[in-house]
Amino acid sequence: QSVLTQPPSVSGAPGQRVTISCTGSSSNIGAGYDVHWYQQLPGTAPKLLIYGNSNRPSGVPDRFSGSKSGTSASLAISGLQAEDEADYYCQSYDSSLSGEVFGGGTKLTVL
Amino acid sequence: QVQLVESGGGLVKPGGSLRLSCAASGFTFSDYYMSWIRQAPGKGLEWVSYISSSGSTIYYADSVKGRFTISRDNAKNSLYLQMNSLRAEDTAVYYCASRANGWFDPWGQGTLVTVSS
Repeated sequence: QSVLTQPPSVSGAPGQRVTISCTGSSSNIGAGYDVHWYQQLPGTAPKLLIYGNSNRPSGVPDRFSGSKSGTSASLAISGLQAEDEADYYCQSYDSSLSGEVFGGGTKLTVL
Repeated sequence: QVQLVESGGGLVKPGGSLRLSCAASGFTFSDYYMSWIRQAPGKGLEWVSYISSSGSTIYYADSVKGRFTISRDNAKNSLYLQMNSLRAEDTAVYYCASRANGWFDPWGQGTLVTVSS
């Protein structure tokens, strides 16, 4: 059971928009700690996708966006492309655990 | 370019030990916190440990506390993870990653640790 809760899977057709939620608690997201998102393509290491809730590293398309409110955060992907098919993970810090925590991951399928 | 390369993984019996290494290049290693993160086969990501840039501050996940030791050698641009009393549930791909202001970037390609008799 992960500290941050994500839906196991989401899907969408090419060109559509999908969102992935990440729900935490008062000791992590709700305590004001930032949320970061990673994309893991099949057979590869995770790659930073969004940092500090809503910031994109250089090279990440603006089709990817992040937001945070209360004890939750969301990753939105617009204009879905086949190459977006991957696992997505949210991450934050938890003060009660004194360490980093990840969501369980969400598998995105592009139909 | 910025690169992290892990090594040292392999097959080990329950109760055994293994030492992982991570070689950094392309950035000022001594300026950054570093972390180990693992991923069991078919499972999600689990943070294992991090160490401050000087090595003076160290934290571990409860699942490895007392069994794993993180360390670094800034002169060699290297990060280490000494793993003792290994269990089947420690089987995973172990990634090293630079930790900057709370997020992990970049990540190495990972090294597989298999604990089995």
